[in-house]
Amino acid sequence: AQSVTQLDSHVSVSEGTPVLLRCNYSSSYSPSLFWYVQHPNKGLQLLLKYTSAATLVKGINGFEAEFKKSETSFHLTKPSAHMSDAAEYFCVVSEAAGNKLTFGGGTRVLVKP
Amino acid sequence: DAGVIQSPRHEVTEMGQEVTLRCKPISGHDYLFWYRQTMMRGLELLIYFNNNVPIDDSGMPEDRFSAKMPNASFSTLKIQPSEPRDSAVYFCASRDRGGVTGELFFGEGSRLTVL
Repeated sequence: AQSVTQLDSHVSVSEGTPVLLRCNYSSSYSPSLFWYVQHPNKGLQLLLKYTSAATLVKGINGFEAEFKKSETSFHLTKPSAHMSDAAEYFCVVSEAAGNKLTFGGGTRVLVKP
Repeated sequence: DAGVIQSPRHEVTEMGQEVTLRCKPISGHDYLFWYRQTMMRGLELLIYFNNNVPIDDSGMPEDRFSAKMPNASFSTLKIQPSEPRDSAVYFCASRDRGGVTGELFFGEGSRLTVL
């Protein structure tokens, strides 16, 4: 069985400051891990993915995430937040066969001017 | 490509009425997924298809829900009869078989309100 825990339901940052969204997972297999972003009234969009290649993964819009097997973590970071980063972010783990995704509960990011 | 297209974007109906949600996946994608998103339960996979064939419908809540994919470019999710607890945002997503598993392309969702 697999599970995903996003440690913060809400994160508030000031524009131009770093963003850290925390995610821990459990999986019986070598997992594939993803971060998705959902802007208000929109569908989910893939930010980045980890599939057992480099442990530091770069995504779109300046986001990156680091896979740490020893800590079972896949935290998402961005060095400088922009107002357009205000959205909800989902950490996702994929089972070995890949078609059933387990979503975390989401972290809502507020960016203050 | 226009992306995954869902209709209607918003639906308000009364309890007991039939609701049909529609989805057009990205052309060439072999997998199609239906998800439901609520505040209480987050994102739940309802059913997914591969090459128009339902593969796993274990997430469909009950017999009131049914999904079909008559061809590669169209799928429906039907609720009959609808109940207030079905109020949610329903997302359709698709994936290319050659793509990374887990890399889904989502539509913008159909927001359903059952009164």
